Amino acid sequence: DSGVTQTPKHLITATGQRVTLRCSPRSGDLSVYWYQQSLDQGLQFLIQYYNGEERAKGNILERFSAQQFPDLHSELNLSSLELGDSALYFCASSVGGTGDWNEKLFFGSGTQLSVL
Amino acid sequence: AQSVTQLGSHVSVSEGALVLLRCNYSSSVPPYLFWYVQYPNQGLQLLLKYTTGATLVKGINGFEAEFKKSETSFHLTKPSAHMSDAAEYFCAVSFSGGYNKLIFGAGTRLAVHP
Repeated sequence: DSGVTQTPKHLITATGQRVTLRCSPRSGDLSVYWYQQSLDQGLQFLIQYYNGEERAKGNILERFSAQQFPDLHSELNLSSLELGDSALYFCASSVGGTGDWNEKLFFGSGTQLSVL
Repeated sequence: AQSVTQLGSHVSVSEGALVLLRCNYSSSVPPYLFWYVQYPNQGLQLLLKYTTGATLVKGINGFEAEFKKSETSFHLTKPSAHMSDAAEYFCAVSFSGGYNKLIFGAGTRLAVHP
């Protein structure tokens, strides 16, 4: 168990809908990262938050947004969903997030999103 | 453009045989290199990493990898495969600091047969 908790584990929804994925980082970790794993794009970094502030953006669509709350949990909001958004969405956390490779990155088990 | 390539989306070995999973990167500057493993229904777990120092890196579960700058490679090996090694393996690189800069390969699914 990595200590990173993601809910729900599975989500089935229809095109055009909006969903929220939730992530609780490991105790003491200030950084949260969101990744998307799809068959055609592979594993891609979406966005990082550090202690409530957006730290870095990757290949995140404008229809997607995220935030990190004062208790450090994070939510990824996906709206106007399309078939191509079907993927496994991972959250990961680390202590800092400042680029120190001595830190480890811990992954949650993911949320499988199916858009029908 | 900087990229990472894993040769072979599927690799199958017999239990006890050598495991070799290939990873090459494309860059004019040496990167930071990682191997992650993903077991079914689980998140990624770090096997090993190369950031500085010795180019032969030992990781968990008997895996090791060697950074060869001249070949721009970071292949993952294990002398003797175990059934529990069956999983998907991802090579990842970063050309600057931070996990938000990680570029993942497409993954190699390892099957281990009795």
